[in-house]
Amino acid sequence: ETGVTQTPRHLVMGMTNKKSLKCEQHLGHNAMYWYKQSAKKPLELMFVYNFKEQTENNSVPSRFSPECPNSSHLFLHLHTLQPEDSALYLCASSAEPGLAGGGETQYFGPGTRLLVL
Amino acid sequence: GENVEQHPSTLSVQEGDSAVIKCTYSDSASNYFPWYKQELGKGPQLIIDIRSNVGEKKDQRIAVTLNKTAKHFSLHITETQPEDSAVYFCAANLYSGAGSYQLTFGKGTKLSVIP
Repeated sequence: ETGVTQTPRHLVMGMTNKKSLKCEQHLGHNAMYWYKQSAKKPLELMFVYNFKEQTENNSVPSRFSPECPNSSHLFLHLHTLQPEDSALYLCASSAEPGLAGGGETQYFGPGTRLLVL
Repeated sequence: GENVEQHPSTLSVQEGDSAVIKCTYSDSASNYFPWYKQELGKGPQLIIDIRSNVGEKKDQRIAVTLNKTAKHFSLHITETQPEDSAVYFCAANLYSGAGSYQLTFGKGTKLSVIP
């Protein structure tokens, strides 16, 4: 257990559906992240939230909509996804938001395995 | 662009032998290099990390070395056991602009330890 939980663990959705992924961290961290993990590709950073404010959006399509109501919870709202969006979506948290010259350790949740039909 | 290269992509070793995974990075300002282990059906778990002020760090059977001049770092696992079988990812903190650093990951190495 890393102190980061994600629900659901598995999700199958059609291209016209709307669903949400949930992440919760119990580590008292300030920063939270969404990553996409596809086969044979590096982890792709999607969004970063620091103290509930979005600080990074790595050119993610608008069909992915993040929400961070507080430092412990992070959501990823999904709508009109494409089959190529099928992947493992990982949430992570860290104590420091990536200060210049500083290191940070990210702790990952177990991920949500998403299949878009 | 900024990236992290990881080799090999797959590695098979006999139980008891050593395994070495190597990564290179491009940003000379990177100063934090974690390694993660990902087992099937789980998220990546941090196993060891190193910061740029040291050249080597060891934790039982796992060690990491860092060569800042050459911009490469390596993971060494000695006396491998079947439970070491997993996908291993290296990462480096790369500058992402506006005073912010983010982790960039290698593509991963699938390690298989043969009993």
